[in-house]
Amino acid sequence: DSGVTQTPKHLITATGQRVTLRCSPRSGDLSVYWYQQSLDQGLQFLIQYYNGEERAKGNILERFSAQQFPDLHSELNLSSLELGDSALYFCASSVVGTGGNTEAFFGQGTRLTVV
Amino acid sequence: GENVEQHPSTLSVQEGDSAVIKCTYSDSASNYFPWYKQELGKRPQLIIDIRSNVGEKKDQRIAVTLNKTAKHFSLHITETQPEDSAVYFCAASLRNTDKLIFGTGTRLQVFP
Repeated sequence: DSGVTQTPKHLITATGQRVTLRCSPRSGDLSVYWYQQSLDQGLQFLIQYYNGEERAKGNILERFSAQQFPDLHSELNLSSLELGDSALYFCASSVVGTGGNTEAFFGQGTRLTVV
Repeated sequence: GENVEQHPSTLSVQEGDSAVIKCTYSDSASNYFPWYKQELGKRPQLIIDIRSNVGEKKDQRIAVTLNKTAKHFSLHITETQPEDSAVYFCAASLRNTDKLIFGTGTRLQVFP
């Protein structure tokens, strides 16, 4: 168990709908990342939050948004869903360790299926 | 922007052989290079990492090498075993920035 919790584990929804994915980072980790992994694809970086503020953005669609709350949990909102949004969405959290290493701990992922 | 290229995308080896996966990064300021292993249906997990002040690091059957001049780093797995079969991701980040950019992944299959 990495200590990163993602809910729900599975989500099936229809095109055009909106969903919210939730992530609780490891205790003490200030950074939360969101990644999208489509079938047989790599980990596409979507967005990163650090202590409540957006820190870095990847190729995140305008239909997607995220936020990190004061208790450091994060939510990824996906709207106007399309079939192509079906994927495994990973959340990861990290802390800058001694010497500046950045080990990211991944949650188990949320598998989103858009039908 | 930052970019990490990873090759090959798939790699098949016989049990006991060695496997090598290579990555190239674009941002010369990158100074931390972890490797993650993702088994089927599971989350990616860190297996080894290297910092820019080190040229090589070993941990039992796995090793990582870094060539800062050429901006590439490689993962070496010796005496491969079927349980090494997984998708391997390289990544690069700037120290203290907490931002990891991943390569596209290599699917390694080890045949008994």
